[in-house]
Amino acid sequence: GEDVEQSLFLSVREGDSSVINCTYTDSSSTYLYWYKQEPGAGLQLLTYIFSNMDMKQDQRLTVLLNKKDKHLSLRIADTQTGDSAIYFCAESFPGGYNKLIFGAGTRLAVHP
Amino acid sequence: DTAVSQTPKYLVTQMGNDKSIKCEQNLGHDTMYWYKQDSKKFLKIMFSYNNKELIINETVPNRFSPKSPDKAHLNLHINSLELGDSAVYFCASSQGTSGNEQFFGPGTRLTVL
Repeated sequence: GEDVEQSLFLSVREGDSSVINCTYTDSSSTYLYWYKQEPGAGLQLLTYIFSNMDMKQDQRLTVLLNKKDKHLSLRIADTQTGDSAIYFCAESFPGGYNKLIFGAGTRLAVHP
Repeated sequence: DTAVSQTPKYLVTQMGNDKSIKCEQNLGHDTMYWYKQDSKKFLKIMFSYNNKELIINETVPNRFSPKSPDKAHLNLHINSLELGDSAVYFCASSQGTSGNEQFFGPGTRLTVL
């Protein structure tokens, strides 16, 4: 079935790295996404990874995909206060008309 | 130059009323979506239209009726509003339906009293 799970909270010190984890159940996922939601705002796509890739790096962001364990992670290097937000993991499926299945979101708090 | 816009941003209404939320995108996309985000921030897709045709219709009460007058607009009409309909409703759009990035609107916060 379609299910995406994330831990709900993460607190890090400014300048440290943040790692947000996600697990999913459906191995037929085609794309896996990370979206960011700032307070009172809509969702912004941060990055995505195709299911046949293991890693993707984009500036401060590194996405790791372990297909065997159905585990996805987002690492944010040198975390800043502006990174404080809710981070959603999502997946889409072949033939799913781009329907996104979201996790519950991880609230990242960055403190000085 | 807003990409995906929604009106209104806030909507407060009484139980039993009928209300509409409008969505417009100026990205030239052919696919639009409605998502509901509840008080615990959980996001779930409701509907999707591709070239004005309904392609995704999740288990949503039939009090919710989407309407797509053209590819750039997808409106959401809700009849007989209930307390449980209180949520933030997000519109999104994409070009195509194969893993293409979805661009989200700012959301409409609906409060039913």
